[in-house]
Amino acid sequence: SYVLTQPPSVSVAPGKTARITCGGDNIGTKDVHWYQQKPGQAPVLVVYDDGNRPSGIPERFSGSNHGNTATLTITRVEAGDEADYYCQVWDISGDHLWVFGGGAKLTVL
Amino acid sequence: DVQLLESGGALVQPGGSLRLSCAASGFSFSNYAMNWVRQAPGKGLEWVSTISGNGGNTFYADSVKGRFTVSRDNSRTTVYLQMNNLGVEDTALYYCSKVRTLLKGPFDNWGQGTLVTVSS
Repeated sequence: SYVLTQPPSVSVAPGKTARITCGGDNIGTKDVHWYQQKPGQAPVLVVYDDGNRPSGIPERFSGSNHGNTATLTITRVEAGDEADYYCQVWDISGDHLWVFGGGAKLTVL
Repeated sequence: DVQLLESGGALVQPGGSLRLSCAASGFSFSNYAMNWVRQAPGKGLEWVSTISGNGGNTFYADSVKGRFTVSRDNSRTTVYLQMNNLGVEDTALYYCSKVRTLLKGPFDNWGQGTLVTVSS
């Protein structure tokens, strides 16, 4: 089955740029979606189809996807961005139609 | 505004059954596929099941295939997850979510989840 690999943790100082990666075999050929989940809350879609933002999501959130790595970039990081971030792809060939990465905890120092 | 409200979670013994419900409002329910995603305590997200807008197509993770059944009642704008032969590994917070547009699109709205605990 298709596997998405995320770093367990990413740390960044306020005002700096955070980059959270999601690795997968030829992931660049798939549409990647990103979710933010704060403690005790449901996930929220922050980027879809590699780099599109739903309404209400700040422009500070962006995404890219090339080769074997997709990246969620958060510029001018704020304390409120501290959360778990999950990538997701559709994989009709595996045992899970939808595959999530293991999640990356973003810590704002 | 889109609202998704899950219910039905409970403490159940191994081998038992449970039916979860997700009441939806704020959108044209029958036009959208719906999903169930679960999250074990302290763990990541795991997709469980998807049902198409008209209910004609259903999909399951291998880990629940043959034990779980997803269904929907478009007249009641509610989606269900019937869970049978539950094991301790099914202990999780179960979220209901809506696809953004296409069946293979992202999940743009989520409920707050309902907790299923499988324990003797």
